[in-house]
Formats: sequence, structure tokens, C-alpha cells
Amino acid sequence: KAGVTQTPRYLIKTRGQQVTLSCSPISGHRSVSWYQQTPGQGLQFLFEYFSETQRNKGNFPGRFSGRQFSNSRSEMNVSTLELGDSALYLCASSTYPSGTGELFFGEGSRLTVL
Amino acid sequence: QQQVKQSPQSLIVQKGGISIINCAYENTAFDYFPWYQQFPGKGPALLIAIRPDVSEKKEGRFTISFNKSAKQFSLHIMDSQPGDSATYFCAASDSGAGSYQLTFGKGTKLSVIP
Repeated sequence: KAGVTQTPRYLIKTRGQQVTLSCSPISGHRSVSWYQQTPGQGLQFLFEYFSETQRNKGNFPGRFSGRQFSNSRSEMNVSTLELGDSALYLCASSTYPSGTGELFFGEGSRLTVL
Repeated sequence: QQQVKQSPQSLIVQKGGISIINCAYENTAFDYFPWYQQFPGKGPALLIAIRPDVSEKKEGRFTISFNKSAKQFSLHIMDSQPGDSATYFCAASDSGAGSYQLTFGKGTKLSVIP
């Protein structure tokens, strides 16, 4: 069974640009969540989606947005990029609501903002 | 507000020794406490998890000890091996919130030296 797939794996942008990251969950998983990982702040929750509906949102500015499609694939978008947005963005899928609470993470998209 | 505090930040252990990582939480609604292991270039992967109805859970060389009254839990790695060298994150979630959102500690970088 394929794991969580994130694309692109690496990308470099400049301040003010926008970026879209993509996530394909494990087959059969209908819930997708996103986390930002930085050396200083660790892993911070961005959003959680289930059946195309955002169920939960973390404490991030409105420049961070996401969506989920009918096939459970998800995208997140960051507009007007700032230097501080440089991070590893991790997508995770789960069997919510019938699972144990386990999240299955992808390998992440590493964003560098110059 | 950091709801899950993890210590130490880094840990060096000799091969065959015991590695101990501690976490403390504030939110008494948390009822699921997983530990994730992350290798460089990879996403976090679930190592072991516990719920508050038990005080200890063991899986192979990995043991979680849980103290509900103190709001603390810890990971013990017995007979530590160089292959255990990774970053370990404790986390917590509130299943009653209808979400699998995890609140993570800031991580412990474990180095096991031969």
C-alpha cells in the first residue's frame, strides 16, 4: 500500500510569491491534516480536512489556506510568502473517524523562501 | 502557550544503555499520547502510543510510562542501538474534540554512540 505522497519535495520561492503544495493520502484514508515543522517551533498544526470539509484550523494567518478534493487529495496554499514561512510542510492522513488517532505522515515538502 | 513540554532537547546514550525522554502536558482533556520517531529526510512515524486508562505500555524495547495525576509521560528505550538515533516527538490529542489534531512537544534528538 502506498504511503502519503507529497509534491513537490523541495522548492525555492522568493518573498511575496505564492506556493501550492499537494498531498495524496493513503488509499482509503479520508482525513488529511497539515503541519509546519521548523527548528524553532517544532511541529505546528495548520489544518485538518475530512470529506472535503475543514474541520479544524491552527493559529496561522489567513495567508495559509487549504482544500480537500472529492478523491481525498489535498492542497495547501501560502500566499505573499515571508522569510519565516521557510519550513518543512508535512501532510498526514488518517482513518478518522474510525481509527485509533494515528497519523501517517508523508516525507514533506521543504520550502525555502529567499 | 506550549501545551506539551518535552525534555531533554538532545540526548547522547551509549549503545546498550537506556534512553529516557520526558513530556508534560497541561490540557486535562488530552486522552491520547503517542510518540513519533523521525529520521532525517523522512516524516514522523508512530512508534508507540498510550491512553490514560493504563499507566504503562511496552512494545519491544520501547516503553511508555504515564502518570495522569502529574500530567506527565515518558518514553524509555531499553538496550539503545545506533539505529535508534533519530528525533523523537511526544504528542497529545483530545479525541473528544472530534479531531485527530496532535499537539507536539519540540522534540528530542537522540544519538546512540557505539
